[in-house]
Amino acid sequence: AQSVTQLDSHVSVSEGTPVLLRCNYSSSYSPSLFWYVQHPNKGLQLLLKYTSAATLVKGINGFEAEFKKSETSFHLTKPSAHMSDAAEYFCVVSEVFQKLVFGTGTRLLVSP
Amino acid sequence: EPEVTQTPSHQVTQMGQEVILRCVPISNHLYFYWYRQILGQKVEFLVSFYNNEISEKSEIFDDQFSVERPDGSNFTLKIRSTKLEDSAMYFCASSGTGNGNTIYFGEGSWLTVV
Repeated sequence: AQSVTQLDSHVSVSEGTPVLLRCNYSSSYSPSLFWYVQHPNKGLQLLLKYTSAATLVKGINGFEAEFKKSETSFHLTKPSAHMSDAAEYFCVVSEVFQKLVFGTGTRLLVSP
Repeated sequence: EPEVTQTPSHQVTQMGQEVILRCVPISNHLYFYWYRQILGQKVEFLVSFYNNEISEKSEIFDDQFSVERPDGSNFTLKIRSTKLEDSAMYFCASSGTGNGNTIYFGEGSWLTVV
């Protein structure tokens, strides 16, 4: 069965410093992997997705993630945090067509 | 950019009452979904719908839940007799066909059962 583990429930960074949100997955097959972001009182917005093409995936707002099969990881990074990045981030795996399995989420806090 | 829209944004209902949550998926999409997020818990898959029938459903989606596409634009989730534990954020989503197609989510309907 597929699953996702987000290693940190909260991550705090200062504005302008790098962001690293960690995600490990478990899957019997070659999964599709996604990062979604949820701002307060907003829906789930797709940041980026991996679907067996390039292992380094670039998304919106300067975020990127690298698929590492040997480590079963799909960590999300951004070189320089902005105040508007403060939100909940979900790592998501999809093994069965179009059925998403969410991680527990990581709340990113950005201080001035 | 096209988006999935949901109504109502918030609803408070009494236990045992029926609730219908409404969604307008993106117009050229063919797959429709409902997910829910109980406060403090993971977002969970409820059901997927394609070609006017349920294509997959989770263990959560029991007989008190039903989905319908009553016309060419709306997609609804009905909860027949709400329970306290149905209190959650319900997300509607839609996608095109083909593996790897992005699933687009609405802003959610927050349901509180009292």
